[in-house]
Amino acid sequence: SAVISQKPSRDICQRGTSLTIQCQVDSQVTMMFWYRQQPGQSLTLIATANQGSEATYESGFVIDKFPISRPNLTFSTLTVSNMSPEDSSIYLCSVDQPGLALQETQYFGPGTRLLVL
Amino acid sequence: AQSVTQPDIHITVSEGASLELRCNYSYGATPYLFWYVQSPGQGLQLLLKYFSGDTLVQGIKGFEAEFKRSQSSFNLRKPSVHWSDAAEYFCAVGAGNTPLVFGKGTRLSVIA
Repeated sequence: SAVISQKPSRDICQRGTSLTIQCQVDSQVTMMFWYRQQPGQSLTLIATANQGSEATYESGFVIDKFPISRPNLTFSTLTVSNMSPEDSSIYLCSVDQPGLALQETQYFGPGTRLLVL
Repeated sequence: AQSVTQPDIHITVSEGASLELRCNYSYGATPYLFWYVQSPGQGLQLLLKYFSGDTLVQGIKGFEAEFKRSQSSFNLRKPSVHWSDAAEYFCAVGAGNTPLVFGKGTRLSVIA
């Protein structure tokens, strides 16, 4: 399975500031995803990070608030812009990795725990 | 639309007792089904997955799950729970090359 690392692992930020979260994978992957997990909640997909093109955002998420970069097949960043306390969440990077018969499995990074004051 | 329902928000079991966590899904095509576990302060770890074939799948840590198409279910089971199994469990559905849809999770507490 892919080994995924995220930086930072946690941060405390002031409202109105921005934070960029990095996701690094130990192998080239086609699909990378960013999820948000609000306190006590399940995972919600923010966007799919596409290599060489703009990210594809889910309903309720916009590029101005969550700009994403995907410069190559092993790395992506998610920026949480102009933060408010409502942005306090765990942000998770995930990748698709093909297995047998092209069956793909999603693996997750350890997450970035963000607290906005 | 794709959806996953985990009817139980919180379950408490005694150590050594058996466990079954319920998962029902709604999906337009043949689903790929997954169970993930999230320990406190940790990321998500894949427990097991179903793509096709044998409807009873074995996973890590002694877990298994059974796919029942007629009931649109993919329940997770373990014959004997250990205290270290206390965590949040998420069922998810997908179809390869698409992001997963997650249930709301079931929190498992284990008592002595």
